[in-house]
Amino acid sequence: QVQLMESGGGVVQAGGSLRLSCAASRFAFGTYGMHWVRQGPGKGLEWVAFIRYAGGKKQSAESVKGRFTISRDNSKNTLYLQMNSLRPEDTAVYYCARDLDGYFDLWGRGTLVTVSS
Amino acid sequence: QSVLTQPPSVSGAPGQRVIISCTGSSSSIGAGHDVHWYQHLPGTVPKLLIRGNNNRPSGVPDRFSGSKSGTSASLAITGLQAEDEADYYCQSYDSSLSGSWVFGGGTRLTVL
Repeated sequence: QVQLMESGGGVVQAGGSLRLSCAASRFAFGTYGMHWVRQGPGKGLEWVAFIRYAGGKKQSAESVKGRFTISRDNSKNTLYLQMNSLRPEDTAVYYCARDLDGYFDLWGRGTLVTVSS
Repeated sequence: QSVLTQPPSVSGAPGQRVIISCTGSSSSIGAGHDVHWYQHLPGTVPKLLIRGNNNRPSGVPDRFSGSKSGTSASLAITGLQAEDEADYYCQSYDSSLSGSWVFGGGTRLTVL
């Protein structure tokens, strides 16, 4: 069925790097904008980054600007999030989500990132 | 601190009606950006409840309804059921600075 599946989460020390992937199945991935959204422990949902369908336009939250980079490979139906200079406050479940007219209509199950100090 | 403001919690008895508010600003809801609502149960994936201020995706019961006015929006749930107990988030877009998608802080609904 139509789905998104994240991978790449894990435990990393503060200052380290991690690359998340999100594999899309059974829909025209290359025609949709895509997002990363996260939820820290005991916290609400926080938008992280967006990339347009062709990858030309990217936007990111102020909290991750300069540290996180969103990218995509439409030939592999895969979305990425390169996370550098990680901080303990980046600890969260990271979801990839599909954009449809400004809202998130399809979500992955999430991958947990833990940044230890 | 979230760009969109929601009450941390609301509660109601089965069968009652509750309303969850979402207050934005002149650069978010007040700028004409649509408001969307999600239901999130712990350990599950967020579920889209309302899109485009007041439209329910197929499969969402008509007990859920949304509205928007000025710089605010609200989600109404009628005929409360035990399975409605969850966290609810509003979401919109903020066109200040370089633009960003924004969520409310979330509201925990308790069915008494």
